[in-house]
Amino acid sequence: GENVEQHPSTLSVQEGDSAVIKCTYSDSASNYFPWYKQELGKRPQLIIDIRSNVGEKKDQRIAVTLNKTAKHFSLHITETQPEDSAVYFCAAQDTGFQKLVFGTGTRLLVSP
Amino acid sequence: GAVVSQHPSRVICKSGTSVKIECRSLDFQATTMFWYRQFPKQSLMLMATSNEGSKATYEQGVEKDKFLINHASLTLSTLTVTSAHPEDSSFYICSAQKYAGQGWTEAFFGQGTRLTVV
Repeated sequence: GENVEQHPSTLSVQEGDSAVIKCTYSDSASNYFPWYKQELGKRPQLIIDIRSNVGEKKDQRIAVTLNKTAKHFSLHITETQPEDSAVYFCAAQDTGFQKLVFGTGTRLLVSP
Repeated sequence: GAVVSQHPSRVICKSGTSVKIECRSLDFQATTMFWYRQFPKQSLMLMATSNEGSKATYEQGVEKDKFLINHASLTLSTLTVTSAHPEDSSFYICSAQKYAGQGWTEAFFGQGTRLTVV
């Protein structure tokens, strides 16, 4: 089955800096890669996603890139703000059962 | 977006009792629903896949007789933790898949249920 690895596990940046989180997946048949932001005790919130037919997608300060050949995808946050502090999860979707397999999460801390 | 409602948000129960958690898609019919378990500071671990009108598919290592899943309609799935023990204490989250067109689906999450077994 699918396996998703995520790095780093923790990331501390200064406000205004950029943050990059990377994920790799194992199943070349996976075709949907969402990113979720989860605040303590809350549900995961979809912040951006990318499908296998595109290589990059951007939404204001957030961007995601996908390299299907290398089977990795990355989240880029520019001009970070303290409110960006949370745990971020990447995921890959199984094409058959459509279940999401999550990475282990990255705790992002943005200091003022 | 879409709204998925999960109830209750918190529950405390005595060891040996059963607890039922509901997951509803409020404004769409979900093609599939999923149940996850999340331990503190850890990722979401898929427990089972739930489809309306059929038996749930459980992930390896998840006891189907302990975690009963019923999917009565396209908008409601329930998870019952039977004979709960303290080690079952966790954060349980459901998600519902919504058809997004062109063969794609998107996942929307419930707010989660914090279960504490005492």
